[in-house]
Amino acid sequence: AQRVTQPEKLLSVFKGAPVELKCNYSYSGSPELFWYVQYSRQRLQLLLRHISRESIKGFTADLNKGETSFHLKKPFAQEEDSAMYYCALSGAGSYQLTFGKGTKLSVIP
Amino acid sequence: EAGVVQSPRYKIIEKKQPVAFWCNPISGHNTLYWYLQNLGQGPELLIRYENEEAVDDSQLPKDRFSAERLKGVDSTLKIQPAELGDSAVYLCASSRTGTYYNEQFFGPGTRLTVL
Repeated sequence: AQRVTQPEKLLSVFKGAPVELKCNYSYSGSPELFWYVQYSRQRLQLLLRHISRESIKGFTADLNKGETSFHLKKPFAQEEDSAMYYCALSGAGSYQLTFGKGTKLSVIP
Repeated sequence: EAGVVQSPRYKIIEKKQPVAFWCNPISGHNTLYWYLQNLGQGPELLIRYENEEAVDDSQLPKDRFSAERLKGVDSTLKIQPAELGDSAVYLCASSRTGTYYNEQFFGPGTRLTVL
């Protein structure tokens, strides 16, 4: 079974401070990890995925297979980063995207 | 690109009534997904279609839920009869194929309230 855990329901940081949204997963095979984001009054959208190894809007995420983690990081938070963030996992061959419960990021001006 | 379209956006019904949700995926996307999102939770997959074939419906409660994707484009998700616990947001998503690393594009969702 595949599982995604986001331990923080709410994370508040000041503008300009570093941000780290935690994500841990459970999967026996080789997973593909994603971060999806939902801004206020907008639809859920892909922020970044492990396979692309890219930085989007200043966010990066590194897959740590030893710690089974895929934490989302940004060195300097901006007010426009305030949103709901979901970590998601898909296993090769399963096609099923399993989401965590989400973390609400609030950036304080 | 219009994105994934869902209707209605909001629906309020009384328990035991039937309800249907409609989804139009992005043009050219062969794979269509229906998700259920309860309050405070992440989306959970109900069913996945590849063209008109339901290839993964293991999470769909088949006693009251049904879905169809005639002609491999639009899809309808139905609940009959609805129960209080069905109150949630129903999300539709689509992707070019069902490949596990492909980006899924989500619709705005239908918020269902069962009274």
